[in-house]
Amino acid sequence: IAGITQAPTSQILAAGRRMTLRCTQDMRHNAMYWYRQDLGLGLRLIHYSNTAGTTGKGEVPDGYSVSRANTDDFPLTLASAVPSQTSVYFCASSVGGGPDEQFFGPGTRLTVL
Amino acid sequence: AQSVTQLDSQVPVFEEAPVELRCNYSSSVSVYLFWYVQYPNQGLQLLLKYLSGSTLVESINGFEAEFNKSQTSFHLRKPSVHISDTAEYFCAVSDQGNTPLVFGKGTRLSVIA
Repeated sequence: IAGITQAPTSQILAAGRRMTLRCTQDMRHNAMYWYRQDLGLGLRLIHYSNTAGTTGKGEVPDGYSVSRANTDDFPLTLASAVPSQTSVYFCASSVGGGPDEQFFGPGTRLTVL
Repeated sequence: AQSVTQLDSQVPVFEEAPVELRCNYSSSVSVYLFWYVQYPNQGLQLLLKYLSGSTLVESINGFEAEFNKSQTSFHLRKPSVHISDTAEYFCAVSDQGNTPLVFGKGTRLSVIA
């Protein structure tokens, strides 16, 4: 059982380029999340989805978009990357929202130059 | 909106000494409370959680946390730390319902041999 996977593991990207970070879970969880982790700022929620077909904005959604066409996949797209989007990105999933345990992927380290 | 304050960004402690990592949240309404741990170069993992019932919750590796409603706190404690406890610890809160977790900025625990 893979759990939750993210790709790529790391990426260096030129500013202005478009980039999609992939996230797939095989646990049939309803809810999925994207966070960014920055030194001194902890984890901040970018976007989330409580169920397939629905998405919501988190604390820092600007410059990012998501889609949830099916239960398993939750890609995060940077339409035109900027250096301030340099970060480590974590995808997570849970059975439902609220009190349910979130399971995290291994992360994607993104550097925008 | 909920917020979480982790008062210490870094906590160095000698091996076999006790440790307390502090966490306060913003609201006194009913909440769910969590501690997650992040080992180096990994995603987060659930350490323990409080949903209801006994205010003292324990993890399998010797950590415990006590929910104190009057002080809006959920401090994490361990009576004797090991080198392997070196990690970053995140406190998180969710309002009852389907709202996403709000994470604190994290406390880096460094256990010194």
